[in-house]
Amino acid sequence: QKEVEQNSGPLSVPEGAIASLNCTYSDRGSQSFFWYRQYSGKSPELIMFIYSNGDKEDGRFTAQLNKASQYVSLLIRDSQPSDSATYLCATSGGYQKVTFGIGTKLQVIP
Amino acid sequence: DVKVTQSSRYLVKRTGEKVFLECVQDMDHENMFWYRQDPGLGLRLIYFSYDVKMKEKGDIPEGYSVSREKKERFSLILESASTNQTSMYLCASSSSMDTVIGGYTFGSGTRLTVV
Repeated sequence: QKEVEQNSGPLSVPEGAIASLNCTYSDRGSQSFFWYRQYSGKSPELIMFIYSNGDKEDGRFTAQLNKASQYVSLLIRDSQPSDSATYLCATSGGYQKVTFGIGTKLQVIP
Repeated sequence: DVKVTQSSRYLVKRTGEKVFLECVQDMDHENMFWYRQDPGLGLRLIYFSYDVKMKEKGDIPEGYSVSREKKERFSLILESASTNQTSMYLCASSSSMDTVIGGYTFGSGTRLTVV
């Protein structure tokens, strides 16, 4: 069974702080890694993807990948209350199917 | 703007009814998926399809079936609805390359309640 593990949270951070969300995966064949944001009552939306070891930055978001440790993280700088959501980590090993974690609930406290 | 449209936002059905959930995408995507999402369990794959008339079982196919007669439409069927099928159902689609580099596009979801 291919698994993606996340702490369900909630993770609480003060406004303006850095939020760090973590994820581990079991399938060494995983090639692509995704972070989705899901607001309460809404469907997931893709915010970041990464497929090479290292960091990928997009605005306030940085995705980090370490394939040797099978570890993916998402950093959110200058966290805002509008960032409060559940963040789903996901992996793909091929051209068809993506495996999701249960998601980490982030609360940004004003 | 690309879209995945699910026919109903909320549905209430009775135990034993046959239920159809419809999903249509306008992106000419090969792959389509049905997930259910429950608190504490995350997204669980029910069925997926990588081509017209093709279907593959996901992690929890029991009690469900699917139909894909046209490329843009993927239907989920609950043969005899039960209360444990009360859930949020999410449809998603992707091109084969999207699954590698860009992930899925999700519909807005159908919250199904079986009473």
